[in-house]
Amino acid sequence: GAVVSQHPSWVICKSGTSVKIECRSLDFQATTMFWYRQFPKQSLMLMATSNEGSKATYEQGVEKDKFLINHASLTLSTLTVTSAHPEDSSFYICSARRSGQINSPLHFGNGTRLTVT
Amino acid sequence: QKEVEQDPGPLSVPEGAIVSLNCTYSNSAFQYFMWYRQYSRKGPELLMYTYSSGNKEDGRFTAQVDKSSKYISLFIRDSQPSDSATYLCAMNEGNYGGSQGNLIFGKGTKLSVKP
Repeated sequence: GAVVSQHPSWVICKSGTSVKIECRSLDFQATTMFWYRQFPKQSLMLMATSNEGSKATYEQGVEKDKFLINHASLTLSTLTVTSAHPEDSSFYICSARRSGQINSPLHFGNGTRLTVT
Repeated sequence: QKEVEQDPGPLSVPEGAIVSLNCTYSNSAFQYFMWYRQYSRKGPELLMYTYSSGNKEDGRFTAQVDKSSKYISLFIRDSQPSDSATYLCAMNEGNYGGSQGNLIFGKGTKLSVKP
């Protein structure tokens, strides 16, 4: 299989605090991971591409200083939402692809539902 | 025109029906095509993965790709209430296509299978 674990599955935090979300590939190595945001009844919106050992690539309109991404190992990428505000409340999903298999499909975590009060 | 178009539905069918889900796309360079199933408040789950044109079957699911028409389909036979979910088509050019391998998604079709 190709299992991607995302933690936590849901989190409630107060406005102004920071939240860290972890994405782990459990049974494969992933040089590249992707972070998405999904609003209700809408499709996935790519936020950034996370590359092991280098800086993440952010999509236009995504604040890199607000959404900090760290991909410190071949099995772990983290997304930190800094100084969270209610408008950051959303469903965040990560995905990963096996290293060295550039045309293999992406495998997704189960998402993190963030609520900022 | 968006790169990938998918009717959001909702689509409601009786149990046992054959379901047809479709996507059209505009980028002729797309070569890899996927269908994902997403249950409410869960991440997308890979159902089918195909390369170029042709058919692929896996149990009750059949994926079809017609590159000449830029049209892909997912058929579900003998649909079950447990198939009720949102189905997302996704595709890319392969070999990263300059996008580090990200997928271009349709908006998803919400399917409801009634017992």
